[in-house]
Amino acid sequence: SQQGEEDPQALSIQEGENATMNCSYKTSINNLQWYRQNSGRGLVHLILIRSNEREKHSGRLRVTLDTSKKSSSLLITASRAADTASYFCATAKNTGANSKLTFGKGITLSVRP
Amino acid sequence: NAGVTQTPKFQVLKTGQSMTLQCAQDMNHEYMSWYRQDPGMGLRLIHYSVGAGITDQGEVPNGYNVSRSTTEDFPLRLLSAAPSQTSVYFCASSYPLGGETQYFGPGTRLLVL
Repeated sequence: SQQGEEDPQALSIQEGENATMNCSYKTSINNLQWYRQNSGRGLVHLILIRSNEREKHSGRLRVTLDTSKKSSSLLITASRAADTASYFCATAKNTGANSKLTFGKGITLSVRP
Repeated sequence: NAGVTQTPKFQVLKTGQSMTLQCAQDMNHEYMSWYRQDPGMGLRLIHYSVGAGITDQGEVPNGYNVSRSTTEDFPLRLLSAAPSQTSVYFCASSYPLGGETQYFGPGTRLLVL
C-alpha cells in the first residue's frame, strides 16, 4: 500500500516560476525523500529529510517536513524547462534491517519555456 | 563507477515464457531491491535483499523469484510470464539500509503478449 500521496497529480507552470509539490503520509516515519524521474529514465534522488528536521535546502530545492500534519512540501524555485519530469515522494517508516521505502504515485511537472 | 546497471533494456515475452532480469551494482551496497512501475500506480516493491544470501518479499512478490549470491548482483526471475507482468522494472541499491537514499538503474521495459 502506498504511504505517501502527492498533490497535485499534475502541475504546469511557466519557466521562471516556482513549483510547489506536496506529499502527505499516514503513519510515523524515519525519513522522507523526494525523487525525480525524467521520461523513460530511472529515478534520481533529490533530497532526504529526517523526522527530526523541519527544512532542508539543496540548490534550487527546498523541502519542508511537518510531522504533526504528516506532510512535506518540495519547492523548486526559478523553474527551468529541464525541470520537466515526474516527482515522487518516498517514506521510510523505520530503521533496522527491514527498513524500506514506500513511494507515492508521483506528480507530473511541466515547465513551459 | 557505473552505479546500478540493468539488462536488458527492453524485452518481449510470450505468456508462459520465463526470463531473468539482470541487475548489478558496483557501489558495494548491502541493500538491493526490485520495483515495478505501472501507469498511475507509482513504484511497488517486488523483492528486496539486505545482503548476500538474504532476500525477502515486498508488496507484490507473486510470480517473481530472486536470489542474492553476491553483493553485486540481484537477478529477478519471472517463472511463467503473464500479461499482468507487463511493466517497467527498476532495480535499486542503497547503503546501509533500504530506508536510506536509493540509487536506481535505468529500468527494463517488459511486454508480455
